[in-house]
Amino acid sequence: DAGVTQSPTHLIKTRGQQVTLRCSPKSGHDTVSWYQQALGQGPQFIFQYYEEEERQRGNFPDRFSGHQYPNYSSELNVNALLLGDSALYLCASSRGSGGGSPLHFGNGTRLTVT
Amino acid sequence: AQSVSQHNHHVILSEAASLELGCNYSYGGTVNLFWYVQYPGQHLQLLLKYFSGDPLVKGIKGFEAEFIKSKFSFNLRKPSVQWSDTAEYFCAVNGIDTNAGKSTFGDGTTLTVKP
Repeated sequence: DAGVTQSPTHLIKTRGQQVTLRCSPKSGHDTVSWYQQALGQGPQFIFQYYEEEERQRGNFPDRFSGHQYPNYSSELNVNALLLGDSALYLCASSRGSGGGSPLHFGNGTRLTVT
Repeated sequence: AQSVSQHNHHVILSEAASLELGCNYSYGGTVNLFWYVQYPGQHLQLLLKYFSGDPLVKGIKGFEAEFIKSKFSFNLRKPSVQWSDTAEYFCAVNGIDTNAGKSTFGDGTTLTVKP
């Protein structure tokens, strides 16, 4: 099905390294949001991209950055990785940036920082 | 800032029992409210949503939720659970003004239904 796809599924990095996670939205969706989910917690909003611009941002440092391409796909970049960045990173797509459209989630990328 | 509180971390029920999962939110303006579900091995998916109008909303698989504005609550209910309802349930809120597009999730409730 043309749901939300994320790559890679798992990733192991060392402290201080940089990582790029990728997301393709569901067909027909133009907005991509990224979430971080630590074990035992709910997804935490990182940022939202619409029309290739960051429209909303959560309480995450500038080490977290993103990009959206004209085909609506998106990347999440994390620089200078810390042990605390180990988590499941979820990509969600929707129609429009206003929050009136439910989120469709991918299966996530499990990032482990050692 | 908006926040969501889910009262139960883990609920265990027998099949045919009734379910109610609590969700309270904090936000000063108008909100959109959601319940998402994650079945074992699957991705998060929408269970139901409230935008406006009738405060009692119905979702998939017999679930419903009631928005009580005065209590800032959006509790999820199901009259009779099945083993297949075993999953993790997340409540989410999205303020429609300055927070539009920034969904805040609760920490989830794990529901285990015993056959």
